[in-house]
Amino acid sequence: GEDVEQSLFLSVREGDSSVINCTYTDSSSTYLYWYKQEPGAGLQLLTYIFSNMDMKQDQRLTVLLNKKDKHLSLRIADTQTGDSAIYFCAEFTGTASKLTFGTGTRLQVTL
Amino acid sequence: SQTIHQWPATLVQPVGSPLSLECTVEGTSNPNLYWYRQAAGRGLQLLFYSVGIGQISSEVPQNLSASRPQDRQFILSSKKLLLSDSGFYLCAWSDRDSFTDTQYFGPGTRLTVL
Repeated sequence: GEDVEQSLFLSVREGDSSVINCTYTDSSSTYLYWYKQEPGAGLQLLTYIFSNMDMKQDQRLTVLLNKKDKHLSLRIADTQTGDSAIYFCAEFTGTASKLTFGTGTRLQVTL
Repeated sequence: SQTIHQWPATLVQPVGSPLSLECTVEGTSNPNLYWYRQAAGRGLQLLFYSVGIGQISSEVPQNLSASRPQDRQFILSSKKLLLSDSGFYLCAWSDRDSFTDTQYFGPGTRLTVL
């Protein structure tokens, strides 16, 4: 099946690290993505990871992939108020040849 | 560089009226094109995708339709809107020649049906 699950809400204090989690069920996923959506805007691609990788780091963003557990996480270091948004994970499965999106996690950054 | 445009940005329409949303992509050729709907600011529902001019695949049966009259133009239409058609409509493109299906999204159209 193709179900991508995320927790609905995460609140962190400015300056702390945020960890947004995602689980998926399709073991044939080849690429996994993180998108950010600010209020009233489209989705912005943040990063993606190939399924044969365990980790990818890009400035304040760190993506961890546990393929055995089908678990993906996005860590945001030194979280800022501008990071407040909804974060979507998505998986690309070659069998279906399409992206399947999670339900999104709303990140709230407090002062 | 590639850019994707959607218009209008917002739209308020009465029930039963027609709909036409437009999406255009610049800076690329032969893109895959997608229409999504996002209800209540949350998850994305894939409505249509297209791999070429005149080639449309529908993911969800409903009163919406899509057309691709030109390579980089994707249109979402309805003959008679329902209240349940309200939502945030997102267009996206991906590079057909890419090994991945990395999708790039437009700014969206907020549709309110009254």
